[in-house]
Amino acid sequence: AQSVTQLGSHVSVSEGALVLLRCNYSSSVPPYLFWYVQYPNQGLQLLLKYTSAATLVKGINGFEAEFKKSETSFHLTKPSAHMSDAAEYFCAVSDNFGNEKLTFGTGTRLTIIP
Amino acid sequence: EPEVTQTPSHQVTQMGQEVILRCVPISNHLYFYWYRQILGQKVEFLVSFYNNEISEKSEIFDDQFSVERPDGSNFTLKIRSTKLEDSAMYFCASRVTRGSGEKLFFGSGTQLSVL
Repeated sequence: AQSVTQLGSHVSVSEGALVLLRCNYSSSVPPYLFWYVQYPNQGLQLLLKYTSAATLVKGINGFEAEFKKSETSFHLTKPSAHMSDAAEYFCAVSDNFGNEKLTFGTGTRLTIIP
Repeated sequence: EPEVTQTPSHQVTQMGQEVILRCVPISNHLYFYWYRQILGQKVEFLVSFYNNEISEKSEIFDDQFSVERPDGSNFTLKIRSTKLEDSAMYFCASRVTRGSGEKLFFGSGTQLSVL
């Protein structure tokens, strides 16, 4: 069975500050890992994904995440927060053996302080 | 970028009533999914659908639930007799191929409230 844990249901950062959203996973097989973002009144949008290539993954809107097997983590970062980054962020895991379904975390709501 | 469209955005129903949630996946996509999120909880997988058949379903997807692709464009989720605990945001998703590393496109969701 796979699972992800997102630490912090709400995170607030000042505009221009570092964004760090935490995700730890549990998987008995090599995982595929994803970060999705949901802006108000919109669907879940893929930010980035790790599929066993480079451990540092760059996504859209300046976000990146690093897969650390030793720490079972896949934290999402952005060097400088922008007001438009305010949204709900979801970490998700699937296995890489063709299992279709994604297992999501509970989400982290990011608030940007002007 | 192409979009998955869901209607309605909000649905209110009485307990015991049937509801149908509608989705229009991206036109060249072949794999279709429903997920849901109960308020404050995780987004949960419900069902996957390919070639007019359910390919996988979760334990949540019991006999009260059904999915259908009635024509070449729509993908529906039916809840036959709604319960209070069915209140949730329901997300439709689609993708071109089955591979678990492939990008999944989500709709903006239907908020279902069962009274």
